[in-house]
Amino acid sequence: GNSVTQMEGPVTLSEEAFLTINCTYTATGYPSLFWYVQYPGEGLQLLLKATKADDKGSNKGFEATYRKETTSFHLEKGSVQVSDSAVYFCALSDLGTASKLTFGTGTRLQVTL
Amino acid sequence: KAGVTQTPRYLIKTRGQQVTLSCSPISGHRSVSWYQQTPGQGLQFLFEYFSETQRNKGNFPGRFSGRQFSNSRSEMNVSTLELGDSALYLCASSLRQHYGYTFGSGTRLTVV
Repeated sequence: GNSVTQMEGPVTLSEEAFLTINCTYTATGYPSLFWYVQYPGEGLQLLLKATKADDKGSNKGFEATYRKETTSFHLEKGSVQVSDSAVYFCALSDLGTASKLTFGTGTRLQVTL
Repeated sequence: KAGVTQTPRYLIKTRGQQVTLSCSPISGHRSVSWYQQTPGQGLQFLFEYFSETQRNKGNFPGRFSGRQFSNSRSEMNVSTLELGDSALYLCASSLRQHYGYTFGSGTRLTVV
């Protein structure tokens, strides 16, 4: 079955540091890949997505590239801010499971001044 | 435009009771999915409805059920509540699968 593996958190960074959160996946088909962010007490917000190999999703300074050869979709940001502190979830969906999203366990990011 | 609206935001129920949660999707979105989020199990897919039909279902017992109305609004019901049903229940809607899903803020259910 499908699965998503994320790096364990929490990740603690100083403001303006470079961020990488690793995500690898296992899927039977050709999945679409997503990053969602969850702020305290809130639901999930779609951060970015990629629907085919070599696509790069980007939003609000965050980027992730769909790497089929390494089955990865790592999230990066060049300079984090305190306001980026949240939990980040990597997820996939594929045609075989229609609308079902399979999520990773989430990585908590804490950014300090 | 309005986002996905879930009501109520918080609920406290007693073991053995039943509960109904409501979700209003973004206007024009016909696909509505439900997820359960707990610290131990993370985010787990419950079911998805499209045009009033359940199109996909996760691995939850039959106590968890849902439905969708002609205006795309959806409800989920949990009967005979157990302590382990305490969780944040999230609803998401989508125009098309690969566009991604927009989530509501969730309903936090506490079973005592």
